[in-house]
Amino acid sequence: GDSVTQMEGPVTLSEEAFLTINCTYTATGYPSLFWYVQYPGEGLQLLLKATKADDKGSNKGFEATYRKETTSFHLEKGSVQVSDSAVYFCALRVTNAGGTSYGKLTFGQGTILTVHP
Amino acid sequence: AAGVIQSPRHLIKEKRETATLKCYPIPRHDTVYWYQQGPGQDPQFLISFYEKMQSDKGSIPDRFSAQQFSDYHSELNMSSLELGDSALYFCASSLTANYGYTFGSGTRLTVV
Repeated sequence: GDSVTQMEGPVTLSEEAFLTINCTYTATGYPSLFWYVQYPGEGLQLLLKATKADDKGSNKGFEATYRKETTSFHLEKGSVQVSDSAVYFCALRVTNAGGTSYGKLTFGQGTILTVHP
Repeated sequence: AAGVIQSPRHLIKEKRETATLKCYPIPRHDTVYWYQQGPGQDPQFLISFYEKMQSDKGSIPDRFSAQQFSDYHSELNMSSLELGDSALYFCASSLTANYGYTFGSGTRLTVV
């Protein structure tokens, strides 16, 4: 079946440090990949996405590249801020060979990021 | 811009009671998804609807049912509530299943 594995957390960094959160996946069809962010007490916000191999998604200084050869979609940011403290979820949506997607997302287990001043 | 509206935001119920959660999708969105997120867990897909018909089903207990109405809003009905049903319930909507979708802020259900 479809699954997403994220690096175990929590991750604690100092402000301006480099961030990497690893994400790998297995998919039964053609995957689209997403990173969502969840701030305390809030819903899930789409951070970035990539819909085909070698696509790079980017937003707010975060980047992730869809690597088909390594089935990975690692999240990176060159200089984190205190305001980036949140839970980050990697997610997968699969489209079958006929181009049909039921739309459901399969999430990784989430990585808690805490950034200290 | 209009977002996905969920109501209520918080709900406290006793064991064995019933609960109804409502979701109002973004205007013109025809697809609705429901997810359950337990404490410290990742969101788990429950069920989805496209054009008022169930389109996919995940790990939704038999005690739960859902439907999408003619105005595209959706309701998740939960009966015989158990302590383990305490969770955040998210609704999301999209324009067909092949497009990205937007999550609501969720309903926090606490069963006591």
